[in-house]
Amino acid sequence: NAGVTQTPKFQVLKTGQSMTLQCAQDMNHNSMYWYRQDPGMGLRLIYYSASEGTTDKGEVPNGYNVSRLNKREFSLRLESAAPSQTSVYFCAIPGTGSSSLSYEQYFGPGTRLTVT
Amino acid sequence: GQQLNQSPQSMFIQEGEDVSMNCTSSSIFNTWLWYKQDPGEGPVLLIALYKAGELTSNGRLTAQFGITRKDSFLNISASIPSDVGIYFCAGQWGSGNTGKLIFGQGTTLQVKP
Repeated sequence: NAGVTQTPKFQVLKTGQSMTLQCAQDMNHNSMYWYRQDPGMGLRLIYYSASEGTTDKGEVPNGYNVSRLNKREFSLRLESAAPSQTSVYFCAIPGTGSSSLSYEQYFGPGTRLTVT
Repeated sequence: GQQLNQSPQSMFIQEGEDVSMNCTSSSIFNTWLWYKQDPGEGPVLLIALYKAGELTSNGRLTAQFGITRKDSFLNISASIPSDVGIYFCAGQWGSGNTGKLIFGQGTTLQVKP
């Protein structure tokens, strides 16, 4: 999975509980991304970080917070989990590609979250 | 917001057949990417396209970046059972590595041996 690790792999939460999903990369990239994947909807960007200490909202940021305290790690936090946040969460980093203008992204193995 | 329409939603084909799927958008994209996802795994990049009109191959896979920059297609020739999975198109807008990806809904491919 292109030097991206995610923990945990599976998690079950009750409505209202909080948790943090962890993502770490060993490729020394500035940018990191969090996506969620729901059946029949492809992947949607939640938040991204262009560099250490900076974060920006993606397409579906509501209900989430992120933290990029160092270059290697990008965490996603659910403060008060809701059933609508049941999903598979993927972290991604840029690839190097064959072009100097490469915009490819490579994904971690995912965290499968169920909120009951 | 920007949307990608991917079709077909699913395909069930015989081994050895060729497959074609496409993505269209109402917006212009700088880059088109095609991913494959196996069950329980993250998406894996198959092909990346950077210029309008570009045609790129990767083994039995061929993809094209539409001239209008609003569409792309992926062809798989002589399908085999390991081609089974979900295929996603993705378009990137914005500049540099801060650009955001928009994904299509996916095409689920099943191959009958």
